[in-house]
Amino acid sequence: KAGVTQTPRYLIKTRGQQVTLSCSPISGHRSVSWYQQTPGQGLQFLFEYFSETQRNKGNFPGRFSGRQFSNSRSEMNVSTLELGDSALYLCASSLGLAGGPTLYEQYFGPGTRLTVT
Amino acid sequence: DAKTTQPPSMDCAEGRAANLPCNHSTISGNEYVYWYRQIHSQGPQYIIHGLKNNETNEMASLIITEDRKSSTLILPHATLRDTAVYYCIVPYSGSARQLTFGSGTQLTVLP
Repeated sequence: KAGVTQTPRYLIKTRGQQVTLSCSPISGHRSVSWYQQTPGQGLQFLFEYFSETQRNKGNFPGRFSGRQFSNSRSEMNVSTLELGDSALYLCASSLGLAGGPTLYEQYFGPGTRLTVT
Repeated sequence: DAKTTQPPSMDCAEGRAANLPCNHSTISGNEYVYWYRQIHSQGPQYIIHGLKNNETNEMASLIITEDRKSSTLILPHATLRDTAVYYCIVPYSGSARQLTFGSGTQLTVLP
């Protein structure tokens, strides 16, 4: 079974620009979560989608948004980029069944390394 | 999430068992313990999870104490490729639906 894929793998943007990152989950997985990883803050949860609905959101400004499509693929968007948005953005998928342990059995992609200059 | 405490770093000789401890004294009765690892510059990798019984899969074994206040992840025959940061996570059993990664344990497998 193919793993989680993320595109692009590397991205360089300028302050003020916006960026869209894409994630394709493992086939059959309906939950997609996004995380940001920086050296200073570690791994931080951005948001989680299940069946095209955002079920949970982390403590990030409104410049960070996401969506999920009917085929479970997900995108996240960051508008008005700041230097501090430079990070590794990770996508994870799971079966996502609420109330069960599989929700937290998440499979991560390789990440998108975003550099803002 | 229930707070977890892990040692910041550990070393292990190649071929020997690596035993990684985790304290989670505030864990609730229906909360699971999950272990992930992250090899440098890669996405985290799910290893194993458990509730109260010991669990084993092809990667590792998870031993949970009877009072569930601590657990140990065991890599039976550590290799150099097991060098990574290992995270012990107890997700909130409510509606949070997120993994909260702490600092983890940096395991270094020595040749």
